[in-house]
Amino acid sequence: NAGVTQTPKFRILKIGQSMTLQCTQDMNHNYMYWYRQDPGMGLKLIYYSVGAGITDKGEVPNGYNVSRSTTEDFPLRLELAAPSQTSVYFCASSFRVGQPQHFGDGTRLSIL
Amino acid sequence: DAKTTQPPSMDCAEGRAANLPCNHSTISGNEYVYWYRQIHSQGPQYIIHGLKNNETNEMASLIITEDRKSSTLILPHATLRDTAVYYCIVRPPSSGGGADGLTFGKGTHLIIQP
Repeated sequence: NAGVTQTPKFRILKIGQSMTLQCTQDMNHNYMYWYRQDPGMGLKLIYYSVGAGITDKGEVPNGYNVSRSTTEDFPLRLELAAPSQTSVYFCASSFRVGQPQHFGDGTRLSIL
Repeated sequence: DAKTTQPPSMDCAEGRAANLPCNHSTISGNEYVYWYRQIHSQGPQYIIHGLKNNETNEMASLIITEDRKSSTLILPHATLRDTAVYYCIVRPPSSGGGADGLTFGKGTHLIIQP
């Protein structure tokens, strides 16, 4: 099993550009999450999903959008990139509420 | 979620037991203690969790005090690969309303010395 796979690993964007961060998991987990981690800080929840077709906002959703058309995939979209979105983005999944979350290795995004 | 307090950094000699403390004096009766770690440039990794009994798995042991106000994560034979930031998180098994996001603080940076 690959677990949680994130692509790309690194990306540099110009201000105002858009992009989609991809996340896929092969563990048949219902719950999926997107976090961001700023330098020297802990993770903050951006969006989460409890199953295909269901998404909801986390602590810091502004500037992002998500969709969950399948159990496996949970892409994160940045529509108008801003320097404040420079961060490392982690995707995670869990089988159900309260179960340990499994994380991908992250996408390092710089907005210049 | 209950707030946790961890030392910002600790050193431990390779081959010795690493004992990482966590204070969670405001923990509620149904809240679990979870430990994750983050090795440099990688995503967080789940280690162990428990409610009130001590727990052990292939990675570590978790000792929770009887009053549940603090806990200790024990890595029995630390190796250089255990150098990482360790996060103690306290939360109920279900946050309700579907939200299950983890709240990560700054954790403890454990450095294993050769």
